[in-house]
Amino acid sequence: GENVEQHPSTLSVQEGDSAVIKCTYSDSASNYFPWYKQELGKGPQLIIDIRSNVGEKKDQRIAVTLNKTAKHFSLHITETQPEDSAVYFCAASRSAGGTSYGKLTFGQGTILTVHP
Amino acid sequence: KAGVTQTPRYLIKTRGQQVTLSCSPISGHRSVSWYQQTPGQGLQFLFEYFSETQRNKGNFPGRFSGRQFSNSRSEMNVSTLELGDSALYLCASSLQEGGYTFGSGTRLTVV
Repeated sequence: GENVEQHPSTLSVQEGDSAVIKCTYSDSASNYFPWYKQELGKGPQLIIDIRSNVGEKKDQRIAVTLNKTAKHFSLHITETQPEDSAVYFCAASRSAGGTSYGKLTFGQGTILTVHP
Repeated sequence: KAGVTQTPRYLIKTRGQQVTLSCSPISGHRSVSWYQQTPGQGLQFLFEYFSETQRNKGNFPGRFSGRQFSNSRSEMNVSTLELGDSALYLCASSLQEGGYTFGSGTRLTVV
């Protein structure tokens, strides 16, 4: 089955710095890669996603890049703010025929701390 | 619009008992997935339902089961609870493939 490795497990940055979290996946058939942010006491919140026919996607301070050949994708957060502090998860899944994106395989998570 | 609603938020059960958790997806969403989150194993996929049919199943024992109703609401059941079943159980719904929105989860504690 699919396996997703996420690094680093913890990341500490100063406010205004950039943060980068990296994930690798094992199943070359995976074609959907979402990123989630989870705050204490809440469920994961989708912050950005990318499909395998796209190499990069941006949404304000957040960007995701995908390298299908190397089977890795990364989350980039620029101009970090204290409210960006949370646990971030990458995930991968595939859709082919009747099988859906619904089976997400998650990385182990990155605890991001942004110091004021 | 309302998000994904999971009830109850917290639950304490005794070993050997069974439990049913409920999930109401976002209106119009027909796909519902369930995940178990623990500190040791992280987020693990349990199963996915679409139009009342189980479309995918994770690697969990048969004690874990689920169903989806015609209004897309879903329930999951765990029978013969074990201490290791203590976890946050999360439900997610989607209008189309991809873009899953999670609820806040049900915190299950087995004593």
